Amino acid sequence: ETGVTQTPRHLVMGMTNKKSLKCEQHLGHNAMYWYKQSAKKPLELMFVYSLEERVENNSVPSRFSPECPNSSHLFLHLHTLQPEDSALYLCASSPTGWPPYEQYFGPGTRLTVT
Amino acid sequence: GIQVEQSPPDLILQEGANSTLRCNFSDSVNNLQWFHQNPWGQLINLFYIPSGTKQNGRLSATTVATERYSLLYISSSQTTDSGVYFCADTSGGGADGLTFGKGTHLIIQP
Repeated sequence: ETGVTQTPRHLVMGMTNKKSLKCEQHLGHNAMYWYKQSAKKPLELMFVYSLEERVENNSVPSRFSPECPNSSHLFLHLHTLQPEDSALYLCASSPTGWPPYEQYFGPGTRLTVT
Repeated sequence: GIQVEQSPPDLILQEGANSTLRCNFSDSVNNLQWFHQNPWGQLINLFYIPSGTKQNGRLSATTVATERYSLLYISSSQTTDSGVYFCADTSGGGADGLTFGKGTHLIIQP
């Protein structure tokens, strides 16, 4: 596979569930990012990892927990979410960490919280 | 943090037309970028342009940092140009997050 892949593409979960989103990049990049795109709101940068270390966290609720075990993989662990967390979650990677030049985006995971 | 305002919010054009999209910033421009999200949700990084002018095919962008705005030009529009165009910038020159505008929704009709 090439580029940035995300799984699953669609996810429906209850407020008491625990689930994880996975992102994988095959571009040899050093940095990865999680974004949230809600209806009628601007894109929000959630987390930035550079060389597997978190370098940016924009006041994201603790019910979202990122994990970057290596430079190719990024996870977003979800627990006790709220309906307002329903959104498209996008992952991206870039050659450098910050600022994020030349980001390559995955197709996103459409999350619905019921 | 920085405020990002995009105009127009919506734009409908015929194929072959040219268009100009604008992005205004409330503070100094640091790491301005333009993105395109197609109707299926795929987001693409178009330009990193903190100042000056860049061109890539039918698309070009100009940032006038001293006046806190950037313009994205699309020439000879094609239906594949449809989607939402976002601009974004970081605040304060540091790791303060990347703030996006609400986007310009462009529809190119055949």
